[in-house]
Formats: sequence, C-alpha cells, structure tokens
Amino acid sequence: QVQLVQSGAEVKKPGASVTVSCKASGYSFTTYYMHWVRQAPGQGLEWMGIINPSDGSTTYAQKFQGRVTFTRDTSTSTVYMELSSQRSEDTAIYFCARPGGTTMGGTWFFDNWGQGTLVIVSS
Amino acid sequence: QSALTQPASVSGSPGQSITISCTGTSSDVGSYNLVSWYQQHPGKAPKLMIYEASKRPSGVSNRFSGSQSGNTASLTISGLQAEDEADYYCCSYAGSNTAVFGGGTHLTVL
Repeated sequence: QVQLVQSGAEVKKPGASVTVSCKASGYSFTTYYMHWVRQAPGQGLEWMGIINPSDGSTTYAQKFQGRVTFTRDTSTSTVYMELSSQRSEDTAIYFCARPGGTTMGGTWFFDNWGQGTLVIVSS
Repeated sequence: QSALTQPASVSGSPGQSITISCTGTSSDVGSYNLVSWYQQHPGKAPKLMIYEASKRPSGVSNRFSGSQSGNTASLTISGLQAEDEADYYCCSYAGSNTAVFGGGTHLTVL
C-alpha cells in the first residue's frame, strides 16, 4: 500500500532554514507528482507547491517563491522541502501529499498524505 | 492567489443533511472541473472525500456527494452522523500548475 513517511518535528530560530523529508513507498515513485501543503496552528490548509519526481521540475505558490525549494532523490524515493528565512508565521505542520492519478485531472487531488511534520519557529 | 471562500461553520442534527459551499472565481473553480473536498479530524491528516467535483473515492460513504455550478462547488452530507463532525476543506486547480484551498468549514453535529 502507498505510504508517505515524513521526518520528525523540528524547532528552528527565526532566519534559519528547515528541511522536511517525505519517503514514499508502495508505488512507482517517479510516476506520480508530489505536493506540499502546510497548516498553521488552528488555521486552514495552504498549498505550497508541486514537484515532478521524474525530472525534478517544480512549481511553487507565489507566496513561497524565493524561499522554498523542493528536491527529490530517486534512489531513495524521497522528496524534500526546504524553507529558508523562516519567521514565526512559518510555524506549522507540513504535509506531503500524493495525487490520486497521473493524468492532468488526477494530479490535482490528494489521496495519500504523509503524517505531517511540525516545524516550530521560535527564538 | 486568494483562498476559496467557505463558511466558517455549519451545523446539523443527526440524520439531517447539510451543504458546504466553496466559492472561487472564473480563474479557478469556474474554469476547471477539478475541485476536491477533504475531511480533517483534530490531529489527523486530511482525508479525500470528493474529487473532480462529484466523484467519490472507493471507501467513502455515499452519504457524501459533491456538485459544481459556475464558480461555486458544494459538498453535501446526508444522514449526518456524529463522526462527521470535523473540518472540511475544498481545493481547486487554479491554472499554471497551481492549486488553492478554501479557508475551511467546521461542521458541528448537534
């Protein structure tokens, strides 16, 4: 079965960077895109961007452009999300989410989610 | 990209039906049949309930249904049950390889 296992919680100082990993198993890693979504405490879901694990191409939400970088390692079926220049407002749970399909339509809904990684930004 | 608009909260009694709206624009919801809905219980990851506006994944109760008209999508839950109490989020493809979520709706089962 599809599994997305994320790295553990992080505590970072303002201005620092954080990297969250998401290890995929149970399917062909390079066949499906991967999305990142975050959720600040008590707030809603926020789409951050998408990566194509096949070629590493990315699209980021405008809000995060210049501060976020998605990468992947096909040898370990892992995608990474790095967020730099963090501020307190970046305190959130970060999720990786795999789409339900490989077609255009199938890319834009998320039927498998990682367990989430809590990132706390505090001085 | 602005968030899609959802009511902050809705409520209903067991057995009743409720509908949650999700309003976007002609650049997102209105241009694509690519709205999905997620249920989230406290401390849990979201769960897919509806995709492509009205399709239900296997394993999701047929009490959940979705529809779309113009710039507004809707999620209807019939025969409300206590376990339906949760937060619900819509999400739409927004063009240029981007997506946008709604602000979320808290459902209270009275």
